[in-house]
Amino acid sequence: SQQGEEDPQALSIQEGENATMNCSYKTSINNLQWYRQNSGRGLVHLILIRSNEREKHSGRLRVTLDTSKKSSSLLITASRAADTASYFCAPLNTGGFKTIFGAGTRLFVKA
Amino acid sequence: GAGVSQTPSNKVTEKGKYVELRCDPISGHTALYWYRQSLGQGPEFLIYFQGTGAADDSGLPNDRFFAVRPEGSVSTLKIQRTERGDSAVYLCASGQGRDQPQHFGDGTRLSIL
Repeated sequence: SQQGEEDPQALSIQEGENATMNCSYKTSINNLQWYRQNSGRGLVHLILIRSNEREKHSGRLRVTLDTSKKSSSLLITASRAADTASYFCAPLNTGGFKTIFGAGTRLFVKA
Repeated sequence: GAGVSQTPSNKVTEKGKYVELRCDPISGHTALYWYRQSLGQGPEFLIYFQGTGAADDSGLPNDRFFAVRPEGSVSTLKIQRTERGDSAVYLCASGQGRDQPQHFGDGTRLSIL
């Protein structure tokens, strides 16, 4: 099993700015997923990127994956106050079952 | 459509008691996960079911914890002789396979007094 480690631990930005969060992992992966969690709620799946993909978009979200550096990034463009949440990356080992979450990045978007 | 449902949403009990936490996954989802989350931390993996069988239970912290999924849909996480350190939010997620997105419930907040 392996854990994704998010960086930074916390990020505070103004509404309208872009937010970038990074994730590093240690071994080969099948895919890597990003999730968002609002306070007191369960996690919400944002994007899944497979090991043979380099970039993926969904609305204001852009995810990149660099398997040579074992890293991924999540970019949220034109952030909104409603984007305030914790964001987690979840790498899935090749052949693995378990998803190991890191401590996440806490994003605060000021209106 | 209906999402993942977890009951109860809150559970307060005394140390030493037995508790059961229930998860109703999205209909048709074969994969089911249990996690435990403490304040300020990410979810901690407990167990993964593929159908009725536990494909990976390596995250269960000790033998006081047990989970079942007898008919491949609803799952119950059982905790015996609860301890104060078991206090956490217990999250359930379901999906269409181990490498597919997971859909989470809002969790059961367990407090052991």
